[in-house]
Amino acid sequence: QKEVEQNSGPLSVPEGAIASLNCTYSDRGSQSFFWYRQYSGKSPELIMFIYSNGDKEDGRFTAQLNKASQYVSLLIRDSQPSDSATYLCAVQGNNRLAFGKGNQVVVIP
Amino acid sequence: DAGVTQSPTHLIKTRGQHVTLRCSPISGHKSVSWYQQVLGQGPQFIFQYYEKEERGRGNFPDRFSARQFPNYSSELNVNALLLGDSALYLCASSLEGTVTYEQYFGPGTRLTVT
Repeated sequence: QKEVEQNSGPLSVPEGAIASLNCTYSDRGSQSFFWYRQYSGKSPELIMFIYSNGDKEDGRFTAQLNKASQYVSLLIRDSQPSDSATYLCAVQGNNRLAFGKGNQVVVIP
Repeated sequence: DAGVTQSPTHLIKTRGQHVTLRCSPISGHKSVSWYQQVLGQGPQFIFQYYEKEERGRGNFPDRFSARQFPNYSSELNVNALLLGDSALYLCASSLEGTVTYEQYFGPGTRLTVT
């Protein structure tokens, strides 16, 4: 079992809709969870982090954490063409971040 | 404030050569981590350094080594380059020595091994 799994294929959403991304992790002792956005050819950019169960909102982004289910999600409201990118889920453990392979989001105008 | 800086931006090397990549963290950050990202995958952890001490090492061969300097900048060295070492090498800095603190990435160094 991979440490961090992001299994969804490319996600196409109409402009203005909600994009929903999911991530599961295997290490039950993980305490910190991060979402990064990566544009093609660029480095990852931190957009959200969450440490406690529940929801955390920042602008159009909402991160949700459920430690019992070992599940992290990211919602992007009012999706814009500029949100088209790959979104990476990262989980802290053993002094390092473990990343999923990422989910590509395409926002269609 | 300046973000994480990395040099060089791009590099082309031949199999068997060695390479040195450099990173300067955000001002005030004392921890630097290195990651390798191949196309289509998420970044893979290589090393973390804090206050010049190695705090973590990923599953990479001994050809990979790193160090951190008193000014908290860092170098990643790769010896005996293989074609499979071609990747984007990312440096990330954080405030403290554990990843409970958020990590911020530099622009990366694109290494091509021919």
